[in-house]
Amino acid sequence: DTEVTQTPKHLVMGMTNKKSLKCEQHMGHRAMYWYKQKAKKPPELMFVYSYEKLSINESVPSRFSPECPNSSLLNLHLHALQPEDSALYLCASSQGLGGNNEQFFGPGTRLTVL
Amino acid sequence: GEDVEQSLFLSVREGDSSVINCTYTDSSSTYLYWYKQEPGAGLQLLTYIFSNMDMKQDQRLTVLLNKKDKHLSLRIADTQTGDSAIYFCAEIGTGGGADGLTFGKGTHLIIQP
Repeated sequence: DTEVTQTPKHLVMGMTNKKSLKCEQHMGHRAMYWYKQKAKKPPELMFVYSYEKLSINESVPSRFSPECPNSSLLNLHLHALQPEDSALYLCASSQGLGGNNEQFFGPGTRLTVL
Repeated sequence: GEDVEQSLFLSVREGDSSVINCTYTDSSSTYLYWYKQEPGAGLQLLTYIFSNMDMKQDQRLTVLLNKKDKHLSLRIADTQTGDSAIYFCAEIGTGGGADGLTFGKGTHLIIQP
């Protein structure tokens, strides 16, 4: 299995809702990432997990809460989002950290906040 | 800090070669990547090159690296309609640092029939 899967594909939520995005990989990768991509912009790093521990939080607001329950799964819990948080949320994984580890991306979850 | 620059659009005729250019500023040793993104889809890793290499070829794709000018290019031979997409250049540092990728703004490749 050489895929990163993400669910759901699309999500529409109100500003008072609580929802979660899920990401899964079965490649034995030990690093997993969340990126945010606004329309017509490049992806921007949000979080990095290495060996299920949070390594990097790129000054992301607390209304985004990541969780890595095991080495194959990565969640992003969403609460009290704003309309400007509407974007494509991409998950990626790599064997380890650092430049010699290619990052493989999932198809993304397209989030709309009303 | 890291900065990656790309031109926003490139238009080529089907069957011609496409050359997408990228410049980066990080002077430390780095890996440089090319990703392809089709409309509404995630990112597909195309190829990568380490900064101690000058060239890498993989089927229709050729990556050239000019370390002195910090200039990277992706050449796609015999461009097809399926190559129409946005191409992102991205870089990352070495040394096992907890770095994510820094992307350029992306080059939209448009194929003319």
